[in-house]
Amino acid sequence: QITLKESGPTLVKPTQTLTLTCTFSGFSLTTNGVGVGWIRQPPGKALEWLALIYWNDDKRYSPSLNSRLTITKDTSKNQVVLTMTNMDPVDTATYYCARETVTTPRSSDFWGQGTLVTVSS
Amino acid sequence: DIQMTQSPSSLSASVGDRVTITCRASQSISNYLNWYQQKPGKAPKPLIYAASSLQSGVSSRFSGSGSGTDFTLTISSLQPEDFASYYCQQSYSMPRTFGQGTKVEIK
Repeated sequence: QITLKESGPTLVKPTQTLTLTCTFSGFSLTTNGVGVGWIRQPPGKALEWLALIYWNDDKRYSPSLNSRLTITKDTSKNQVVLTMTNMDPVDTATYYCARETVTTPRSSDFWGQGTLVTVSS
Repeated sequence: DIQMTQSPSSLSASVGDRVTITCRASQSISNYLNWYQQKPGKAPKPLIYAASSLQSGVSSRFSGSGSGTDFTLTISSLQPEDFASYYCQQSYSMPRTFGQGTKVEIK
C-alpha cells in the first residue's frame, strides 16, 4: 500500500523560509523511474506544480519559483523535503506531495492528503 | 512552459447527463495528458493517464480521448459522487502544468 503524508508548519511569517517534509511508504526512491513531487493549491484556485525529484537525484523546478525552491531526498528515511524561501501571503496554499513515475503511468498516481500553510504576520 | 486551457470553467448538469470537458495544450504533447478529480477539502484523485487509460479502480463511466493538442474527458452518465472539480495536466515536459480546472455542479 502506497501512502504519502506532508508535514510542516501551518503558519509562517512573511520573509521566512518554509520547510515541508513528505514521508512516504510502499515504494522506494531508489527504484529506477520513481520520483516525488510537490504541488500546491491556493484557496479556491487551481493546482500549481512546484518541483520534482527523481530516484537518480535529478531535480526539476517551476521556472517561476526556481530561485526560491530546493527539493532534496533522504532515501534512508523515505522522505522528500521542499524548502521555499522568502514566503509571502500569496504563497498561502495547501501543499501536496505526490509520486510520479518516468514510465507508465507518468502521472501523479498517489497523493498525500495535503497540508495548509498560511503566510501571515 | 506548455499552457493548458480547459473549457468550460464550470458547468451545471443533472444526474444521468453525459458531460464532456475539453483541455487544449499550447503545443503538441502527444498523449501525455492526465486527468484528476478533486472534491472540496480533498487531494486530487487520479482518473486517467496517457489521455485515455483509466487509473486502477476508476469507474468505466469516465473516459478520455485525444492526442496532440486537443483532449476530452467524458462522463457517460453523471452520478451524484461525480460532482467535483476536474483538472488536466500535461506530463510531456517540464515543468508539469495543469489546466485551470472545471467545476461540475448540480443543476
